[in-house]
Amino acid sequence: AQRVTQPEKLLSVFKGAPVELKCNYSYSGSPELFWYVQYSRQRLQLLLRHISRESIKGFTADLNKGETSFHLKKPFAQEEDSAMYYCALLVYGQNFVFGPGTRLSVLP
Amino acid sequence: GAGVSQSPSNKVTEKGKDVELRCDPISGHTALYWYRQSLGQGLEFLIYFQGNSAPDKSGLPSDRFSAERTGGSVSTLTIQRTQQEDSAVYLCASSGTGEGYNSPLHFGNGTRLTVT
Repeated sequence: AQRVTQPEKLLSVFKGAPVELKCNYSYSGSPELFWYVQYSRQRLQLLLRHISRESIKGFTADLNKGETSFHLKKPFAQEEDSAMYYCALLVYGQNFVFGPGTRLSVLP
Repeated sequence: GAGVSQSPSNKVTEKGKDVELRCDPISGHTALYWYRQSLGQGLEFLIYFQGNSAPDKSGLPSDRFSAERTGGSVSTLTIQRTQQEDSAVYLCASSGTGEGYNSPLHFGNGTRLTVT
């Protein structure tokens, strides 16, 4: 069955420190992965998708099929990065399976 | 419209009553999804529409939950005989084909349902 795991419910880092939010998936097909972010009092929105291989707000994520991972990284965290982050897997080109989310707290 | 619109934004209802939640997707988006977001539970998939049909209803928690979509646009999620455990934020999202095969989801602000 398709599954997305995010082992950390809460991750706290200091401003300027590197941050890595972990995501692992289980899927027999060719994976298409996304990171979504929800800032306080805002709607859930797309942060980045692996096919674009882009950096958004300093964040990058690399798909590692061998480790079935899609970890989100940023070298220097900012306070405005504090938010809820969800990793999502597109299944059979139709449905999205979300992980349980990680709340990132960037401390001053 | 400019984005996915959900109404009402907040709904308080008594246990046992029926509620209806509405979602207006982005114009032209063919796919529409309902998710439930509970405190500490992440996003729980409920149902997915492609046009007016629902290929995947596997996430509906019980037969008290139903959803429909008409005209390939507006969708309503109905919860009958609400229970306290139904309290959550119900999120609607849509995606279109115009953004490519892996078109991302565009979310609404959600409906916060509280069952007392």
